[in-house]
Amino acid sequence: KNEVEQSPQNLTAQEGEFITINCSYSVGISALHWLQQHPGGGIVSLFMLSSGKKKHGRLIATINIQEKHSSLHITASHPRDSAVYICAVSKTFSNYKLTFGKGTLLTVNP
Amino acid sequence: EADIYQTPRYLVIGTGKKITLECSQTMGHDKMYWYQQDPGMELHLIHYSYGVNSTEKGDLSSESTVSRIRTEHFPLTLESARPSHTSQYLCASRVGTGGRTYEQYFGPGTRLTVT
Repeated sequence: KNEVEQSPQNLTAQEGEFITINCSYSVGISALHWLQQHPGGGIVSLFMLSSGKKKHGRLIATINIQEKHSSLHITASHPRDSAVYICAVSKTFSNYKLTFGKGTLLTVNP
Repeated sequence: EADIYQTPRYLVIGTGKKITLECSQTMGHDKMYWYQQDPGMELHLIHYSYGVNSTEKGDLSSESTVSRIRTEHFPLTLESARPSHTSQYLCASRVGTGGRTYEQYFGPGTRLTVT
């Protein structure tokens, strides 16, 4: 079993819909990261969080340390949000490196 | 916008050739990373560096080698490319001071195809 699990693997939405992507992990962490990967491969860091909630524009990330679970929400989704969203963790005693989930492929149709 | 660069972006090469994938960053970051990503799969760490003249193998075994002679430069070399090396290779960097966790900045990736 992977240490970082994401769901769903694939998600198709209509423009304007509210989207939630989930991430569960089974190890102790110092931080959880949400990344965005567009076709072509480049990866952008969206959030790094160790507690509570962070918001940037239409994106919101939350984490529940006790339940070892995080969610990424996208409000008023747009076709340009189509990408792979990756959850990754920095483990407590090896926080110099990341352990990645397999990603969620999001497609937002106009 | 992160200042981390990879060249080439795409490479198609024959079996047995020696190749070097370039990665450079202008942020002065101590820590640098190479990841391998197969289509539809998660990223796996193949090499990392704490700083100049400091490199370690990652979690995924790789036949590639790396060097870190300058802070800003972290090239990856395959002495003899094989079709099994076909993959996407992503370089990343982050600040390295203290025990805190920092976000990583990723390059655009090199998509390697070995025929």
